Amino acid sequence: GAVVSQHPSWVICKSGTSVKIECRSLDFQATTMFWYRQFPKQSLMLMATSNEGSKATYEQGVEKDKFLINHASLTLSTLTVTSAHPEDSSFYICSAGTLAGGSYNEQFFGPGTRLTVL
Amino acid sequence: QKEVEQNSGPLSVPEGAIASLNCTYSDRGSQSFFWYRQYSGKSPELIMFIYSNGDKEDGRFTAQLNKASQYVSLLIRDSQPSDSATYLCAVKSAGNQFYFGTGTSLTVIP
Repeated sequence: GAVVSQHPSWVICKSGTSVKIECRSLDFQATTMFWYRQFPKQSLMLMATSNEGSKATYEQGVEKDKFLINHASLTLSTLTVTSAHPEDSSFYICSAGTLAGGSYNEQFFGPGTRLTVL
Repeated sequence: QKEVEQNSGPLSVPEGAIASLNCTYSDRGSQSFFWYRQYSGKSPELIMFIYSNGDKEDGRFTAQLNKASQYVSLLIRDSQPSDSATYLCAVKSAGNQFYFGTGTSLTVIP
């Protein structure tokens, strides 16, 4: 099956620092990866869609200068939370779409990264 | 109107009963429909997908799709306490956009 990994799984940082989260598709090539954020007891919120080799498409209300996304290869996308603040503390989840006939079907999720900003 | 709507619940069923989860969507051109399960503190995992009208069965799970009525449902037979989780409905629209519902919280009571 399609496996997506994330690193780190848990990170605690001081306010003002930047944190990079990696998302990797381990056994398939993912031209499209998605980044979500989920606050406790709330639903998934799509932050951005990342296509390999091009700029990410951000959802309305998501600051592109604060949440930097890089999708340099077909198996790796990174999300960098710049100058993190306590309100950025959340569960960040990436997913990757599998390809079929030029279009992606189901999304497979990584295990998530829990970010705590002190 | 939201693209995908689910009853947030919570839905409680006794162990061994059938749990029925429902989802409606707004884009009539949507072609692909997915059910994910998310345990507390974990990321979602894909349970089933369905593309065609009718029923699709996989073990204790049955997905039902009615494109004319724009709804998709998930039935869980012989519910177990381990099925207690939040179930997310997802729809891929005709424009290749994924939309997730807010999820239905299910509790199976032993």
